[in-house]
Amino acid sequence: QKEVEQDPGPLSVPEGAIVSLNCTYSNSAFQYFMWYRQYSRKGPELLMYTYSSGNKEDGRFTAQVDKSSKYISLFIRDSQPSDSATYLCAMSQKHRDDKIIFGKGTRLHILP
Amino acid sequence: GAGVSQTPSNKVTEKGKYVELRCDPISGHTALYWYRQSLGQGPEFLIYFQGTGAADDSGLPNDRFFAVRPEGSVSTLKIQRTERGDSAVYLCASSPRGGFADTQYFGPGTRLTVL
Repeated sequence: QKEVEQDPGPLSVPEGAIVSLNCTYSNSAFQYFMWYRQYSRKGPELLMYTYSSGNKEDGRFTAQVDKSSKYISLFIRDSQPSDSATYLCAMSQKHRDDKIIFGKGTRLHILP
Repeated sequence: GAGVSQTPSNKVTEKGKYVELRCDPISGHTALYWYRQSLGQGPEFLIYFQGTGAADDSGLPNDRFFAVRPEGSVSTLKIQRTERGDSAVYLCASSPRGGFADTQYFGPGTRLTVL
């Protein structure tokens, strides 16, 4: 079993819909949880960063962490065609100076 | 300002050859990371430098892989006797000292194809 599991998709939704992306993990030592967005042939770009359990909102994006269930989610409201990309969940044990463990990524298509 | 840059953007080589991949981190960033991303997978950690020294090289798959950062800035990932299974995108990331979150800024990657 991989440390981080993520459904690779693809996931296609109509423009304006709410998108829900999620990951599960097995290592309870993970404390820091991230979502990266990766466009084709580009490097990953950090979207959201959360510590421990709880919610964090940034514009149209909301990240949720449930450490008791080892489950993290990213919600995208009012989805736009420009949101079409691969979304990678990621986590680490320390807040810095630590390797990041990534999920496989979910390919998201927002249909105009 | 300039982001992380990686050269070459694409590298095609033959099985058994030696390759070097270069990473120029963001100026002033002390931490530098190498990851490898195979098709349809997330990035996989290879090695982490803090300054000139490798603080964690637990992700290097075998002794054919080696990385250096002699002056604490530019880093080179070296792969000897390349194999077809080494084909992947090699990503470099850097992060600054200080602050709460270890925000790693990624470069565009070098796409390595071993024929």
